[in-house]
Parts: sequence; C-alpha cells; structure tokens
Amino acid sequence: QVQLQESGPGLVKPSQTLSLTCTVSGGSVSSGGYHWSWIRQHPGKGLEWIGYIYYSGSTYFNPSLKSRVTMSMDTSKGQFSLKLSSVTAADTAIYYCARTVVTVNRPYDTPAWFDPWGQGTLVTVSS
Amino acid sequence: QSVLTQPPSVSAAPGQKVTISCSGSTSNIGSNYVSWYQHVPGTAPKLLIYDTAKRPSGIPDRFSGFKSGTSATLGITGLQTGDEADYYCGTWDRSLSDWEFGGGTKVTVL
Repeated sequence: QVQLQESGPGLVKPSQTLSLTCTVSGGSVSSGGYHWSWIRQHPGKGLEWIGYIYYSGSTYFNPSLKSRVTMSMDTSKGQFSLKLSSVTAADTAIYYCARTVVTVNRPYDTPAWFDPWGQGTLVTVSS
Repeated sequence: QSVLTQPPSVSAAPGQKVTISCSGSTSNIGSNYVSWYQHVPGTAPKLLIYDTAKRPSGIPDRFSGFKSGTSATLGITGLQTGDEADYYCGTWDRSLSDWEFGGGTKVTVL
C-alpha cells in the first residue's frame, strides 16, 4: 500500500523560498503511469492544485503559480520535492503531496484524480 | 473563487441520504471526468469517486457519483456519523489549463 509523507520547515520568512519533500513508501516513484502532485489548502479555504512531476522529470504547473514553482525528483530516495519562491503570507497553507493518475494528452498530460494523499504539512509564512 | 460551485454545507440524520452538487461549465465538468474527495481536517484527503461514477476499492457503495451536462453530484446513502467531513469535487478545466477543486461542502450528521 503506497503511503506519502510530507516534510519540511513549518515556518518560512517572507520573500524566501519554501521547500518541501514528499517521501513515498510502499511503491516506487518511478513506476510508470503515475505522476506526483503537490496540492495546498489555505487556512479555512478550499484546495488548490500546484502542479505535478513525472519520474522522467517532466512537469506541469498551475499557471497562476508557474513563475514561482520548481519541482524535482530523487528516484533513488523515493522522493519528490517542491520549491516555491518569493513567498508571502498568502502562501501560508497546508501542503499535501499526492499520487496522480493522468489522462494522456498533447502537449501535456492532464490530471484525472489524486490517490493516495499525504497527511499534509502546515507551512506558515511570517517574519 | 472556484469555477466549480458547491453548497457550503448539507446535513441529514443518520441513515438518511444527502446529495452534494458541483456546478461548473462546458470547459470543465461538461468536457471532463469528475472526482470526489472526503476530507476530515487533520487527516489525508481520501478519493471517493473517480471518472465521475467509479468507486476505488474499499469505498462502500453508499457513495455514488453522477454527472449531467455541466453539473456533477455526489450521493451518500445510509448516512453515518463517520461521514462527517468536508467533500470536494475536482476536474480539469481546459480553458484555465488547470485542475480545479470545488469550494468544498461540509456534511453534518444531525
């Protein structure tokens, strides 16, 4: 049974870069057919998809965050990571990682559903 | 503000049925499959329905999904206290080129 666990600093200063890692156990991040996503939830608000990465390194990001997002993968460690630059208080949220099934499309694959998810980690942006 | 509209809350007594609507447009629900998620705050969100009407292994048939035009619906029958949670719909929006979640619906068991 695949499980995901987020980790990283719970407090980030404004203008700095938020960095989180998701560790996958019970399965391989390089198994074909699955992409790996980051999703966040602002306090008291709904869910926002940030983007995904495939083991090949291909990525797709939410257009509203694209300019500040970087994702990477370390298949040897079974991990994938998120970096969000130039953070502000508006980036304070619970960040989740999730395995993603996609619909194969051109020019990019599109998410179809997310399963399973990690428990989430709260990141607060504050000086 | 999400492009997928859900009612903020629904409630019913144990054993009753609730339905949660998710209203969108031709660029999202009208042209793509929908998935639904159950989220108890503090825990990992759980996939309930994928491809609009399919249930993953382990999800009881009390949960069902349906779509008509640009609206999708999640139904929960035989409501249990353990069903108290926030429920989110989600789908791809081809106009926004982005995955969108609904604003979420809180289910309360009276």
